[in-house]
Amino acid sequence: NAGVTQTPKFQVLKTGQSMTLQCAQDMNHNSMYWYRQDPGMGLRLIYYSASEGTTDKGEVPNGYNVSRLNKREFSLRLESAAPSQTSVYFCASSERLGRANEKLFFGSGTQLSVL
Amino acid sequence: GIQVEQSPPDLILQEGANSTLRCNFSDSVNNLQWFHQNPWGQLINLFYIPSGTKQNGRLSATTVATERYSLLYISSSQTTDSGVYFCAVPRRSGNQFYFGTGTSLTVIP
Repeated sequence: NAGVTQTPKFQVLKTGQSMTLQCAQDMNHNSMYWYRQDPGMGLRLIYYSASEGTTDKGEVPNGYNVSRLNKREFSLRLESAAPSQTSVYFCASSERLGRANEKLFFGSGTQLSVL
Repeated sequence: GIQVEQSPPDLILQEGANSTLRCNFSDSVNNLQWFHQNPWGQLINLFYIPSGTKQNGRLSATTVATERYSLLYISSSQTTDSGVYFCAVPRRSGNQFYFGTGTSLTVIP
């Protein structure tokens, strides 16, 4: 069982370049998420998708776009990368265990540097 | 929003020692989750624990929802336990989460 798979693991971009981070889960989860992790800031939610066809902004959505391509896949796009977007990015999905009860599973992360 | 505070922020243990990590939260919640981020950056869900106590090998977790805290116990620590431990509680919608700032654990041989 692969769980949550995200690619690439490492990426270096120049300011202004664009890229898409890919994420797929094989656990049949409805909800998927993109987080960024920065030193001293903890995990911050960028966007989430509660179900196929829906996406919502999290705490720090500026500079990002997302696509919930189907139930399995949730991609994160940086249209014009900035040094402030240097971070470790985590995709996650959650298993619904009841009303307002979701158990989170994370991918292995993407380390992104923007020069 | 809900405030989530973890203590201690840093902990250094000799291999074989026991430890207790604490997570306080400022409002009632449906559940609490504990995660371990290993030195390679992977985030592993250790426990999903609405209330009561759960055990998994040398690790156990207790959540006292009425008093708004959870404890993670690590017994007979090993070097592979090193990393950062996070707790997280859900927003009322259930599919957004508040994370604590973590406890960094170093186990030395």
